[in-house]
Amino acid sequence: AQSVSQHNHHVILSEAASLELGCNYSYGGTVNLFWYVQYPGQHLQLLLKYFSGDPLVKGIKGFEAEFIKSKFSFNLRKPSVQWSDTAEYFCAVNAHDMRFGAGTRLTVKP
Amino acid sequence: NAGVTQTPKFRVLKTGQSMTLLCAQDMNHEYMYWYRQDPGMGLRLIHYSVGEGTTAKGEVPDGYNVSRLKKQNFLLGLESAAPSQTSVYFCASSSIDRAYEQYFGPGTRLTVT
Repeated sequence: AQSVSQHNHHVILSEAASLELGCNYSYGGTVNLFWYVQYPGQHLQLLLKYFSGDPLVKGIKGFEAEFIKSKFSFNLRKPSVQWSDTAEYFCAVNAHDMRFGAGTRLTVKP
Repeated sequence: NAGVTQTPKFRVLKTGQSMTLLCAQDMNHEYMYWYRQDPGMGLRLIHYSVGEGTTAKGEVPDGYNVSRLKKQNFLLGLESAAPSQTSVYFCASSSIDRAYEQYFGPGTRLTVT
């Protein structure tokens, strides 16, 4: 069965700092990859997704993620974070069913 | 267009009590899902449904039952609640042609004492 690992449990950054959140998955076949965001008190929202094609995927709010097949990774990036990016971020992989990582809590200090 | 809604938003149960969580979607989606979210464990799939009248087990189905009598509703039942079922429960739905793009409800926070 596929599994998803998110390496960082809690990341604290100052505004304007660059962000990279790691995500690795274990599954040898074709996968669909996602990043979801959960703002405080809100439900999960889709940030971006990768199905096929260009491995560099751009999402909402300036986020992007790169699929590196050889590394089984799908890291999330943002060049300059804002206080409003404070949230929990979940990587997810869908092969047979959807599996989520444990989440990374991002705190952005103003 | 309300999207995915869940009732109730909060509930406290005593061990052994039963309850049903209701999920409703107005997007005419074929697929519906129930997840639980626990600290440090992300979301785990409990049960899912690919259409009216059909359900299937996910990653952590034990202690839960589900029913999909109408396309727009997906019910999650706890017959005899246990403290280990204290969690936040999320419902999601997706369309048949974009099955992997799931839309989530606001969640139900359940505490079992």
